[in-house]
Amino acid sequence: EIVLTQSPGTLSLSPGERATLSCRASQSVSSSYLAWYQQKPGQAPRLLIYGASSRATGIPDRFSGSGSGTDFTLTISRLEPEDFAVYYCQQYGSSLRTFGQGTKVEIK
Amino acid sequence: EVQVVESGGGLVQPGRSLRLSCTASGFTFGDYAMSWFRQAPGKGLEWVSFIRSKDFGGTTDYAASVRGRFTISREDSKSIAYLQMNSLKTEDTAVYYCARGYSYGSVWGQGTLVTVSS
Repeated sequence: EIVLTQSPGTLSLSPGERATLSCRASQSVSSSYLAWYQQKPGQAPRLLIYGASSRATGIPDRFSGSGSGTDFTLTISRLEPEDFAVYYCQQYGSSLRTFGQGTKVEIK
Repeated sequence: EVQVVESGGGLVQPGRSLRLSCTASGFTFGDYAMSWFRQAPGKGLEWVSFIRSKDFGGTTDYAASVRGRFTISREDSKSIAYLQMNSLKTEDTAVYYCARGYSYGSVWGQGTLVTVSS
């Protein structure tokens, strides 16, 4: 099983600032099969990024993904008020899909 | 509008069974794989199972934590995916989400709460 470790656990930032979230895998994720989701309280997750760097339909371009192998990053270039939420990475390079434990982006 | 809606959750005793349904609309259901995920109260996301489309053999897979107890299936004529959950344990308590896709969830429902308790 591929274990994904996200850091930091919590990121305290102000609107307009840049957010950088990390997702590290215990072994290489084949073909950069990594996705990122956003989840707000009481809501379902929303797909942001797939294939490590491709934005899902309707996702603003302030969200970007990068990385390969074992190290992946989600960047939010300028935080909007609606971006404060929990973010999860998920790998699908293995048949047994796994998630990171999440990073909470909170208002400073 | 493309959407999926889960139903069938509720309170169930340990050892009993429950069947969840995921009803899709707005897309050609038979062309897509479907997945189930879950989220225990206050916890992170966990993948549970997927079922591929008939074109890809309808193959299935399960997380180790549910393999042998849960069964995923689909009824393309009704645009419904099912999750049959047997021998439920207290640790199966979670919100269960259905999502379109085999690799990742591109469209998610709002979830249905399953509580396993005596």
